[in-house]
Amino acid sequence: KNEVEQSPQNLTAQEGEFITINCSYSVGISALHWLQQHPGGGIVSLFMLSSGKKKHGRLIATINIQEKHSSLHITASHPRDSAVYICAVRTGTASKLTFGTGTRLQVTL
Amino acid sequence: EPEVTQTPSHQVTQMGQEVILRCVPISNHLYFYWYRQILGQKVEFLVSFYNNEISEKSEIFDDQFSVERPDGSNFTLKIRSTKLEDSAMYFCASSEGFSNTEAFFGQGTRLTVV
Repeated sequence: KNEVEQSPQNLTAQEGEFITINCSYSVGISALHWLQQHPGGGIVSLFMLSSGKKKHGRLIATINIQEKHSSLHITASHPRDSAVYICAVRTGTASKLTFGTGTRLQVTL
Repeated sequence: EPEVTQTPSHQVTQMGQEVILRCVPISNHLYFYWYRQILGQKVEFLVSFYNNEISEKSEIFDDQFSVERPDGSNFTLKIRSTKLEDSAMYFCASSEGFSNTEAFFGQGTRLTVV
């Protein structure tokens, strides 16, 4: 069973700050997903990674397979980035995603 | 942009009643999933579905739950006799493949059992 831990649980930042959210997992994975959940509850996929680094706009996701660790970075944060950011992993040949508890981000003006 | 759609967005039901939650996955996707999120907790896997059969299910997915793809577009989750503890947000998701492909989620159905 893969244990997925995220840190921090809550994060408050001022507009323009560089933000890092961390995710670690206990068992080797086939893929790691970063997801965003807005207050209304809907979940949006941001990235899927199995190695290296991906960038989309102001968002950057990295993964270190050996250390079983991934980070999500937000550059030049904005209040509209306020949401819960969730890390989820797929292990081996399993079809399911195992989710972390999420990081609640609030970006203020 | 294609999206996963779920209906209804909110359902209130009495304990013991049957509910059916509906999902329309993205049209060329082959793998379908149901997840749930109890208020304040993390998202949990319920079931995955491929080629008209369940490919994986969690211990939560007991005999009270069933899934079906009744036609070429809909994917449904049925809870036969709802309990108070079934109150949660239920998310449908779909993906083209299952291993290294992105999963797309619907907006969720908030189920309240009273």
